[in-house]
Amino acid sequence: NAGVTQTPKFQVLKTGQSMTLQCAQDMNHNSMYWYRQDPGMGLRLIYYSASEGTTDKGEVPNGYNVSRLNKREFSLRLESAAPSQTSVYFCASSKQGGGEKLFFGSGTQLSVL
Amino acid sequence: AQSVTQLGSHVSVSEGALVLLRCNYSSSVPPYLFWYVQYPNQGLQLLLKYTSAATLVKGINGFEAEFKKSETSFHLTKPSAHMSDAAEYFCAVSSMNSGYSTLTFGKGTMLLVSP
Repeated sequence: NAGVTQTPKFQVLKTGQSMTLQCAQDMNHNSMYWYRQDPGMGLRLIYYSASEGTTDKGEVPNGYNVSRLNKREFSLRLESAAPSQTSVYFCASSKQGGGEKLFFGSGTQLSVL
Repeated sequence: AQSVTQLGSHVSVSEGALVLLRCNYSSSVPPYLFWYVQYPNQGLQLLLKYTSAATLVKGINGFEAEFKKSETSFHLTKPSAHMSDAAEYFCAVSSMNSGYSTLTFGKGTMLLVSP
């Protein structure tokens, strides 16, 4: 099984450009998440989708939008990228929420110049 | 909201030495607690999980963690470090968010292992 697949792995944007990070899981999980990882800050939750058809804000949602396209796919969109959004982005999934194990993708390294 | 504090952004040990990575959580009710590991250029992997069934939790790769309610701690240990243990380790706690439980991560501790 592929698990959680993220694309692209690397991306460089100019300030103001837009882009969508793609995430797909093949484990039939109900819940999906987007985190960002910054040095010394750990992982911070951007948005999550508890189940197909629902999305909710996490700790740091400003500047981002998400779409739960179907049960497998959960995308993260930057409408107008800013240098503060330079980060490593991780998608994760779990059967349900809370006490369930998270399965992570390998990450997208994004630089905004 | 729940939070975890990891003491020490970097911990250095020699190969064969005891590994101790510290984590304290903020809660009056024992939550779900986790330790995840991140190897370079990879996503996070679950090491172990506390679910209140037992205070001493054994995980993969010889790691274990002990839940101490009186100290609100969940420290990670391994008796003998191996070079392959060099990675970043994250403590995490389940946290309610708009009626749904998500994970809140600590800032991470980088484990450095020297020969």
